Amino acid sequence: AQSVAQPEDQVNVAEGNPLTVKCTYSVSGNPYLFWYVQYPNRGLQFLLKYITGDNLVKGSYGFEAEFNKSQTSFHLKKPSALVSDSALYFCAVSPTYNTDKLIFGTGTRLQVFP
Amino acid sequence: KAGVTQTPRYLIKTRGQQVTLSCSPISGHRSVSWYQQTPGQGLQFLFEYFSETQRNKGNFPGRFSGRQFSNSRSEMNVSTLELGDSALYLCASSSGLAGLGTGELFFGEGSRLTVL
Repeated sequence: AQSVAQPEDQVNVAEGNPLTVKCTYSVSGNPYLFWYVQYPNRGLQFLLKYITGDNLVKGSYGFEAEFNKSQTSFHLKKPSALVSDSALYFCAVSPTYNTDKLIFGTGTRLQVFP
Repeated sequence: KAGVTQTPRYLIKTRGQQVTLSCSPISGHRSVSWYQQTPGQGLQFLFEYFSETQRNKGNFPGRFSGRQFSNSRSEMNVSTLELGDSALYLCASSSGLAGLGTGELFFGEGSRLTVL
């Protein structure tokens, strides 16, 4: 069965410092991986996805994610955090390439302090 | 371009009642999917539609149903409401062509259902 795990409920980082939000996955075939962000009282927003190709995927708002097949990880990163990055971040996996059915992780709350 | 619109945004129902939630996708998007978000279970997939056809269904009881209309608008219905159905119901659309999803979903702000 496909699944993703986000081991940290919350990540705290000071503004200007690099941030990492962790995600590991379990899939039976090729992984199709996504990151979404949810701001308070808002729907989710797509950040980036990995289908194939380069292991470093660049997305919206300066975020990037590194796909690591040997560690089955897809960590979200940003070189310099902003207070406005504070939100709930979800990692997700798709069972196949051509579907909008996503299996989401439990979410990680990112808090960026001034 | 207008985003995904969900109505109503908030509603309160009592156990045993039924509810219908509506979703208007981004213009030109023909794929619509629904998700349930709760503090305990997180985000869970409900349905996926393309061109009025249900492409996928999540692991929810038959009380949960949905449909898509020819203009791509979608509705979901929950009958015989239970307390555990209290949740934020999120609709998303995508621009997948030829019936293929992309995983790049544009979400609405959700319909928050409270069951008393």
